Amino acid sequence: VIWMTQSPSLLSASTGDRVTISCRMSQGISSYLAWYQQKPGKAPELLIYAASTLQSGVPSRFSGSGSGTDFTLTISCLQSEDFATYYCQQYYSFPRTFGQGTKVEIK
Amino acid sequence: EVQLVESGGGLVKPGGSLRLSCAASGFTFSSYSMNWVRQAPGKGLEWVSSISSSSSYIYYADSVKGRFTISRDNAKNSLYLQMNSLRAEDTAVYYCARDKGDNDYWGQGTLVTVSS
Repeated sequence: VIWMTQSPSLLSASTGDRVTISCRMSQGISSYLAWYQQKPGKAPELLIYAASTLQSGVPSRFSGSGSGTDFTLTISCLQSEDFATYYCQQYYSFPRTFGQGTKVEIK
Repeated sequence: EVQLVESGGGLVKPGGSLRLSCAASGFTFSSYSMNWVRQAPGKGLEWVSSISSSSSYIYYADSVKGRFTISRDNAKNSLYLQMNSLRAEDTAVYYCARDKGDNDYWGQGTLVTVSS
């Protein structure tokens, strides 16, 4: 099983801020990592796959980086609609695993 | 437009059974692996099970192995999850998702509540 440590669990920020979320793996997964955004009462939405490829339709203020064991999601200029919970997920091997989630809240 | 619509959730007693369905449209269903992912109330996402496009490869989370069975009918563009011996800790919203490694499309989810 590949264990994932996502941090922080809670992030307080203001509109316009640059925020980063980290995801660390217990073993290397190359670039088989995805990031999702979830708003309350809604299904998750794919933001980034293959660690750094932006899903079609996702604003360019979102970016992903990393490979191996350490990955980062960055939102360059936080907008009001970005306040949500974010999850990383590895798809290098089964069982698929998700990070614990990072809630981005208004400061 | 890709659409995934889950159904079959509801209230069931511990030890009971439930069958979830996911109706797919807007893409060639038979070309994609599919997943079930669940989310307990107020908790994070948990992968439950995956099935390959032709049903040749099937995987389960340890938490459901031996109790849940994933299947699909490519002629009906449908994905299923048979859930037996349900426990209180299986209470969650269950999502079906299209698999290309990542999950690029998700359904709206169906709520399963296991309670006496």
